[in-house]
Amino acid sequence: GESVGLHLPTLSVQEGDNSIINCAYSNSASDYFIWYKQESGKGPQFIIDIRSNMDKRQGQRVTVLLNKTVKHLSLQIAATQPGDSAVYFCAVLVTGNQFYFGTGTSLTVIP
Amino acid sequence: NAGVTQTPKFQVLKTGQSMTLQCAQDMNHEYMSWYRQDPGMGLRLIHYSVGAGITDQGEVPNGYNVSRSTTEDFPLRLLSAAPSQTSVYFCASSYGPGNEQFFGPGTRLTVL
Repeated sequence: GESVGLHLPTLSVQEGDNSIINCAYSNSASDYFIWYKQESGKGPQFIIDIRSNMDKRQGQRVTVLLNKTVKHLSLQIAATQPGDSAVYFCAVLVTGNQFYFGTGTSLTVIP
Repeated sequence: NAGVTQTPKFQVLKTGQSMTLQCAQDMNHEYMSWYRQDPGMGLRLIHYSVGAGITDQGEVPNGYNVSRSTTEDFPLRLLSAAPSQTSVYFCASSYGPGNEQFFGPGTRLTVL
């Protein structure tokens, strides 16, 4: 199986600051990782993904870092905006067909 | 494209009742899955399908049945609802398990 956990259940940042959300996983065979954003009352929305043959991937204002040695994944959001307020969670693909999800970090952006 | 659609949006059942949660996608995705989301827990996989006619169990399959007769539809059946099945249910689809998953808006189910 797999155990996926996020380090902080809540995070508050000032608008314009950078946010870092962390995720730890347990299975070294994990080979695909996704970060999702979920707003209240909505389904999860894909933000960015990374495969195990990479250690960094950048999108628009977001960067995912993967450290396979310590089985750690992080999501960095640059210049955080009020619209970034949501719950963020990571998903880890282990067996090839099944994703395991972290419990989520609730990000609040203070204007 | 409508993406992934789920019906109903809300449902209240009594213990022992049965019902079907509907999920459909119009993106020609082979891989579809059902998750439940409970407070303080991550999304947990109930069942998934890698193509029409093929289904398999996820992490928490007990009390649920699925079938996949077409590429587009992947209904989830609760055979005899129990209060422990009170949750928010999400359906997702993707080209394959190792690809970005698109989620539906969810069904909020309460079992009394």
